[in-house]
Amino acid sequence: GENVEQHPSTLSVQEGDSAVIKCTYSDSASNYFPWYKQELGKRPQLIIDIRSNVGEKKDQRIAVTLNKTAKHFSLHITETQPEDSAVYFCAASSPFGNAGNMLTFGGGTRLMVKP
Amino acid sequence: DGGITQSPKYLFRKEGQNVTLSCEQNLNHDAMYWYRQDPGQGLRLIYYSQIVNDFQKGDIAEGYSVSREKKESFPLTVTSAQKNPTAFYLCASSMTGATGELFFGEGSRLTVL
Repeated sequence: GENVEQHPSTLSVQEGDSAVIKCTYSDSASNYFPWYKQELGKRPQLIIDIRSNVGEKKDQRIAVTLNKTAKHFSLHITETQPEDSAVYFCAASSPFGNAGNMLTFGGGTRLMVKP
Repeated sequence: DGGITQSPKYLFRKEGQNVTLSCEQNLNHDAMYWYRQDPGQGLRLIYYSQIVNDFQKGDIAEGYSVSREKKESFPLTVTSAQKNPTAFYLCASSMTGATGELFFGEGSRLTVL
């Protein structure tokens, strides 16, 4: 099955700096790569996603890049703000037996933005 | 107000007892999921259902059971066979399966005493 590794597990940055979180996946059949943000005590929410036919996608201060050859994808947050502090999860969607596609999540990155 | 609702938010259980976590959605989603969240381990899939009366085991199904008798409801039972049940449990739903956005509930924290 799919295996998703996420690094770093914790990341501390100064407000205004950039933050980069990296993920690798193992199944070359994976074709959908979302990122979820989970603020303390709240539910995870989708912040950006990318499909395998695209190399990069941006949405204001966040961007995701995908390298299918190397099987890795990254989340970039520019001009970080204290409200960006949260746990971020990457995921990869790959075929899962007879159940269609299934998301496998990385272990999460706790991002702390210091004012 | 559309969404996905989990209950209870906090639950305490004695060893050897079964407990059922509720998950209800009014988003008209076909697919529903249960994940377990432990510190540093991300979200691990317990069970998954694409359609009423059908469900599939995920990566860590042992000691858990589910049912999908209605499109809106996907309850999870944590049985006494689950060796380490203390965890945060998240229910989610999506329109088309795992290549679309997952909408999560607020979670249920189970503590076994």
